[in-house]
Amino acid sequence: QSVLTQPPSVSGAPGQRVTISCTGSSSNIGGGYDVHWYQQLPGTAPKLLMYGNNNRPSGVPDRFSGSKSDTSASLAITGLRAEDEADYYCQSYDGRSASWLFGGGTKLTVL
Amino acid sequence: QLQLQESGPGLVKSSETLSLTCTVSGGSLSSSSDCWGWIRQPPGKGLEWIGSFYHSGSTYYNPSLKSQVTISVDTSRNQFSLELSSVTAADTAVYYCARHEYIGYYYMDVWGKGTTVTVSS
Repeated sequence: QSVLTQPPSVSGAPGQRVTISCTGSSSNIGGGYDVHWYQQLPGTAPKLLMYGNNNRPSGVPDRFSGSKSDTSASLAITGLRAEDEADYYCQSYDGRSASWLFGGGTKLTVL
Repeated sequence: QLQLQESGPGLVKSSETLSLTCTVSGGSLSSSSDCWGWIRQPPGKGLEWIGSFYHSGSTYYNPSLKSQVTISVDTSRNQFSLELSSVTAADTAVYYCARHEYIGYYYMDVWGKGTTVTVSS
């Protein structure tokens, strides 16, 4: 069981908006540590999707956005497209254990 | 363009030591602020951070794996390595190396393609 909790799955129709939550605690997200998001397409390595809570690397469409509040963070995807179907992972740092943490991952299905 | 490539045996016997190497090209391990590390993903499961080392030479390991893990670096070859001792079937996974870029905080911006390691009995 991951210290950062994500829903196992979310789904949406093309064009719709979905959000993926990532819930931590006072020793990680709530402790002021930044949250990053990774997208993993089937059979490939994870790819950085969002860093520092709400910053997109070059090449990531602005359909993706991130936010953070208290002990949680969220990734929002608008205008869903078939190619967004992937696993999404949140990541933060835990000051108590001095460890980088990943959420358990959320599988996005585009209906 | 920075690239990372994992290499090592795809099959390791139970109780033996798993050894992998990450070769960095298009950049230098000696960068003053970056951090480099290993992450793994068991079949059908999520990502697990294994450990990382800083430019200062300090290394940090996942507390749950600390007794098994050693990360070392060879700056002359621009490579860093992972050793995981006394492996069991639970260590079967895809192993990734990644750079953690620093801009006031760290995030894993460049990943290798991963290498699959199977632990056999």
